[in-house]
Amino acid sequence: GNSVTQMEGPVTLSEEAFLTINCTYTATGYPSLFWYVQYPGEGLQLLLKATKADDKGSNKGFEATYRKETTSFHLEKGSVQVSDSAVYFCALLGRYGNNRLAFGKGNQVVVIP
Amino acid sequence: EAQVTQNPRYLITVTGKKLTVTCSQNMNHEYMSWYRQDPGLGLRQIYYSMNVEVTDKGDVPEGYKVSRKEKRNFPLILESPSPNQTSLYFCASCPTPGSMNTEAFFGQGTRLTVV
Repeated sequence: GNSVTQMEGPVTLSEEAFLTINCTYTATGYPSLFWYVQYPGEGLQLLLKATKADDKGSNKGFEATYRKETTSFHLEKGSVQVSDSAVYFCALLGRYGNNRLAFGKGNQVVVIP
Repeated sequence: EAQVTQNPRYLITVTGKKLTVTCSQNMNHEYMSWYRQDPGLGLRQIYYSMNVEVTDKGDVPEGYKVSRKEKRNFPLILESPSPNQTSLYFCASCPTPGSMNTEAFFGQGTRLTVV
């Protein structure tokens, strides 16, 4: 079945540092890939998405590229702010057969001033 | 405004007392799903529904029931809640699974405590 794996553990970094959160996936066919963000006390919001290989999703300074050859969708931001502190979830939606939305376990990101 | 609405937002209940968490979406989405979020475990899917009268188990369905009698509503039912069902619950909907550019819309969550 479809699954998503995110790197283990929270991420703590200083303001203006470079952020990378790794995400790899297993899926049949060609899924759509997403990054969702959850700010403290809130529900999940879509951050960015990519629907086919080599697509780059971007929003609010964040980027992720759909890499079919490495089955990855790593999230990056060049200069984080304190307001980027949140939990980030990688997710996929299968396109054929198994159409369930599958999430990774999430990564807590804490940005220190 | 397009949204997914869950009620209640917060609930404290006792073991064994049946409860229902409601979820409603106003976007005419076919696909709806329930998740629970627990520390260190992320989001785990409980049940999902591809369309009216079509429901299926997710990864952690034990102790839960759902129904999909109409497209907009997808209630989550705990017939006999237990303390291990204390969690943060999210309802989500998608236009049509398997179509390009599909994204999920989430409710604001229901924090359930079972004592």
